[in-house]
Amino acid sequence: EAGVTQFPSHSVIEKGQTVTLRCDPISGHDNLYWYRRVMGKEIKFLLHFVKESKQDESGMPNNRFLAERTGGTYSTLKVQPAELEDSGVYFCASRDDWPGSPLHFGNGTRLTVT
Amino acid sequence: QKEVEQNSGPLSVPEGAIASLNCTYSDRGSQSFFWYRQYSGKSPELIMFIYSNGDKEDGRFTAQLNKASQYVSLLIRDSQPSDSATYLCAVSTGGFKTIFGAGTRLFVKA
Repeated sequence: EAGVTQFPSHSVIEKGQTVTLRCDPISGHDNLYWYRRVMGKEIKFLLHFVKESKQDESGMPNNRFLAERTGGTYSTLKVQPAELEDSGVYFCASRDDWPGSPLHFGNGTRLTVT
Repeated sequence: QKEVEQNSGPLSVPEGAIASLNCTYSDRGSQSFFWYRQYSGKSPELIMFIYSNGDKEDGRFTAQLNKASQYVSLLIRDSQPSDSATYLCAVSTGGFKTIFGAGTRLFVKA
């Protein structure tokens, strides 16, 4: 079974530019999550998809962040325009459908905004 | 108050000793509890999950849950240098949302 895959693994962009991160969840996992870890801080929840619908986007920091999951398969997270404080590691995770099922993480995308 | 709190460490133990990692959470409605291990530059990987009060053992790892005290812990017996990592406590409510603590760094000295 293929795990959660994320692309790219690293991205370095200048302030004001746009970056799009991609996540392919484990096949069959309807629940897909985006998290972010800023240096030294906890892994922060951004949002949760169930299939193509946003179940909870309470963690999205502001309207510069846009997440989509068209067709309920892979997801993208776009940051536009990027700011310095957006730097960090963006993790995608997916899980099975039963309550309490654990998260399976991708390797993350390390975003550096200069 | 943070939703999930952990001592950031570092916690340093000698090889072969028991490492004890602790976590408290604020939401009494939390139902599922997880311990993840994260090596530097890598993604979190699941070690244990526990749903009921008491102990759950898996090899060298034991998770302990006390819902009345809103406390969950992870014991690592016969600690090895390869156990050196950051250990993340995570808590889920019934709505599939999982909240993470900041993690405890563990060093196992050879």
